[in-house]
Amino acid sequence: SAVISQKPSRDICQRGTSLTIQCQVDSQVTMMFWYRQQPGQSLTLIATANQGSEATYESGFVIDKFPISRPNLTFSTLTVSNMSPEDSSIYLCSVAVAFADTQYFGPGTRLTVL
Amino acid sequence: QQQVKQSPQSLIVQKGGISIINCAYENTAFDYFPWYQQFPGKGPALLIAIRPDVSEKKEGRFTISFNKSAKQFSLHIMDSQPGDSATYFCAASMNYGGSQGNLIFGKGTKLSVKP
Repeated sequence: SAVISQKPSRDICQRGTSLTIQCQVDSQVTMMFWYRQQPGQSLTLIATANQGSEATYESGFVIDKFPISRPNLTFSTLTVSNMSPEDSSIYLCSVAVAFADTQYFGPGTRLTVL
Repeated sequence: QQQVKQSPQSLIVQKGGISIINCAYENTAFDYFPWYQQFPGKGPALLIAIRPDVSEKKEGRFTISFNKSAKQFSLHIMDSQPGDSATYFCAASMNYGGSQGNLIFGKGTKLSVKP
């Protein structure tokens, strides 16, 4: 497995602003993912963060709203842009150490948009 | 085709009892079935996982039963303890050319174990 940290752990933001969430892993991993978990709900994949290239987004999620960077094998960022109250969720980073490995999740970032 | 259906939505069990959570899937291409445990304010933690070449996997008090023909799998928690109170998610994924694909999650089961 891998040790995953996320910053910030929580934030309260104003409508129309943007927040960048960081995900740091203690070892090089093959795959990194970003999920959203709305209050009391299940997990929905936003995108796969690809090292050195554009992220792969799932249906319903677009790069303009959720730009993602992955400059190396241990770090990624997710930005939630032009936020609205509907963006209030927990945002989770997950990683897979190897291509055939399962996914391990970070502690999450709890975002509240007023 | 991509859905994973999980039941029940919530479950109350007495301490020492058996907790059973069920999941069903449609896509026969799924070949990896993990269960995650999530405590409030924490990220999901991998609990146990199974592949379709076995019908059962046990790790301590946690057992996955897998029925390939019925396209169902379940989590059994034996001797349930108050510390097991959490939300449990089943998930499924398929292999794409050697790379494990995206996890498709069930809606979750909130388990409460009463002392």
